[in-house]
Amino acid sequence: SQKIEQNSEALNIQEGKTATLTCNYTNYSPAYLQWYRQDPGRGPVFLLLIRENEKEKRKERLKVTFDTTLKQSLFHITASQPADSATYLCALESGYALNFGKGTSLLVTP
Amino acid sequence: AAGVIQSPRHLIKEKRETATLKCYPIPRHDTVYWYQQGPGQDPQFLISFYEKMQSDKGSIPDRFSAQQFSDYHSELNMSSLELGDSALYFCASSLRQGWDEKLFFGSGTQLSVL
Repeated sequence: SQKIEQNSEALNIQEGKTATLTCNYTNYSPAYLQWYRQDPGRGPVFLLLIRENEKEKRKERLKVTFDTTLKQSLFHITASQPADSATYLCALESGYALNFGKGTSLLVTP
Repeated sequence: AAGVIQSPRHLIKEKRETATLKCYPIPRHDTVYWYQQGPGQDPQFLISFYEKMQSDKGSIPDRFSAQQFSDYHSELNMSSLELGDSALYFCASSLRQGWDEKLFFGSGTQLSVL
C-alpha cells in the first residue's frame, strides 16, 4: 500500500538554526511532491512543489530536495524564526487526489 | 484575493443526524476536493470533483455523499452521523486545467457529533 512517512516526533530548534524535516514514501511514482504548512485549526497552506526532474528548489528561506531513488524529500528552513512554528505536511499525488503525510510539528524557540 | 470559503465554521450534531457542509472554491478553479482531518491526524482525502463530475474517490464512507453544482460550489452531505465523524472537514480547490497542481484550502468546518 502507499505510504508517506514523516517524523512523528516534534522537532524543537532554537531561533536562527536550520530546521530539516524528512518525508519518505513507498509505492508512489510521483511526478512531483508538495510541502504544506498547517497551523492549529487551520487549513494547510501550500509552500513548495518540486518535480521529479528537479533535485532542489528554493523559495526565500525554504529549500526542498527530492531524491526519487531514495524516495525521499528533505525540507529545510534556514534562519528559523518562532513564526515558523507549525506542522509541515508532505504531499504526493495519487490519481487526481493529493495524499498527505501525518506531518512534523516544528517548534522554534527564541 | 478570493479564497476558498467554507460554511459553517462550526457544526454540532447529535448521533444519527444529518449534516451538510458547503464549499465555495476560488473563482475559475475547476477542481474541488474534500478532506477529513481527525485530531492529530493527517488530512484524509474523501472525494474530488473536476468540472462538476466526480473525479476521484478516497476513503469516503457510504453514509457520505457529495456533489458539485453548476456554479462550482460543492456540498458534502453526511447522514447517520457517528461519534467518529467528529473532525475538521476541509475543502480545497485547484485549477487542474492550468497544470497548477497546488491546492488552496478553506478554513474548514469543525464538526462535533455528540
